[in-house]
Amino acid sequence: NAGVTQTPKFQVLKTGQSMTLQCAQDMNHEYMSWYRQDPGMGLRLIHYSVGAGITDQGEVPNGYNVSRSTTEDFPLRLLSAAPSQTSVYFCASSTASGGAETQYFGPGTRLLVL
Amino acid sequence: GDSVTQMEGPVTLSEEAFLTINCTYTATGYPSLFWYVQYPGEGLQLLLKATKADDKGSNKGFEATYRKETTSFHLEKGSVQVSDSAVYFCALSDRGGGFKTIFGAGTRLFVKA
Repeated sequence: NAGVTQTPKFQVLKTGQSMTLQCAQDMNHEYMSWYRQDPGMGLRLIHYSVGAGITDQGEVPNGYNVSRSTTEDFPLRLLSAAPSQTSVYFCASSTASGGAETQYFGPGTRLLVL
Repeated sequence: GDSVTQMEGPVTLSEEAFLTINCTYTATGYPSLFWYVQYPGEGLQLLLKATKADDKGSNKGFEATYRKETTSFHLEKGSVQVSDSAVYFCALSDRGGGFKTIFGAGTRLFVKA
């Protein structure tokens, strides 16, 4: 199993550009989520999905879109990048029952918006 | 809403020293509690967890006990190693919060040889 994979590992964008961060998992997990990690702020939830076709907003959803057409993939789209979106982005997956499930994280995408 | 507060870092210790990283939480329901660890350049990985009051999670010499009366889940290790240098995150998952995981800000640990 590859677990949770993310691409790219690093990206530089100019303000106003768009891009998609890719996330895939091969563990057949129902639950997938996107976090951003900023110094001193821990991880903040951007969007999450409890299954194919179902997505919802997290704590900091503005400026980001998601979709979940398959169980395996959960891409994160930045439609018009802003310097405030400079961060490290992590995708995670887990089973979705009970509330005590371990989340499995990808290696992260480091994004710099100039 | 739910929240997690953990001690600020960085924490710097010598090898074989005793480690405590404090974590307290606020939750409307009855959450599960976690400690995740992030090594340099990597994503987070589960270190240990506890799902009910008085449960003790343990792994790799680390321990944490779910204390409902003090709403705490402090991380301890009796003798740290240089390889324990990492960022440690306390987290909770509350059924009432739709199973979303709430993370603390993280505590960076440096262990000197």
